[in-house]
Amino acid sequence: DTGVSQNPRHKITKRGQNVTFRCDPISEHNRLYWYRQTLGQGPEFLTYFQNEAQLEKSRLLSDRFSAERPKGSFSTLEIQRTEQGDSAMYLCASSLILRGQETQYFGPGTRLLVL
Amino acid sequence: AQKVTQAQTEISVVEKEDVTLDCVYETRDTTYYLFWYKQPPSGELVFLIRRNSFDEQNEISGRYSWNFQKSTSSFNFTITASQVVDSAVYFCALSEVISSGSARQLTFGSGTQLTVLP
Repeated sequence: DTGVSQNPRHKITKRGQNVTFRCDPISEHNRLYWYRQTLGQGPEFLTYFQNEAQLEKSRLLSDRFSAERPKGSFSTLEIQRTEQGDSAMYLCASSLILRGQETQYFGPGTRLLVL
Repeated sequence: AQKVTQAQTEISVVEKEDVTLDCVYETRDTTYYLFWYKQPPSGELVFLIRRNSFDEQNEISGRYSWNFQKSTSSFNFTITASQVVDSAVYFCALSEVISSGSARQLTFGSGTQLTVLP
């Protein structure tokens, strides 16, 4: 059973460009989360999917951010018109509820640098 | 609002010493979960343990042990006989109910950088 995978692992872009990240969750996990982690801080919740439905977005997710999970499998996170403040590690996690309990398993992250 | 505090920003120990990482949390939920994750230099968060709020029994797994005390809202993590490979950032996290459904987002502390010297 493979873990959560994310691509690309690193992305360098110029301010104003659009970027897209992909997350492939653990097979059969129906929940998928996106988090953002800046240097020296813990991850912060961005958004969450159950199957293909996006059920929650945090206030950190500005209008320039959009996430999709079209078939309830992989997910993409797009940032439009990137700003230097978007530079961070973007982490994806997936989970499956077993006997009413849930544990999120994280991918390796995509490190974004906006110049 | 939920909050997790890891007051120790950095800890440095010599190999084979025991070390305890502190975690204090705040929540209004009566049911919640607490977690510890390890983040090595590679960046991937590795799940270590989940503890339910209604289960205050301490847990031991090899060199790792966890002390959950609801009365003081603490969930501390002890590594016995530390090894160089234990060097990483350790995060304590609290899961809360997301307003639109039953799933739970994680609220993380700011992490403790543990360095184990040979």
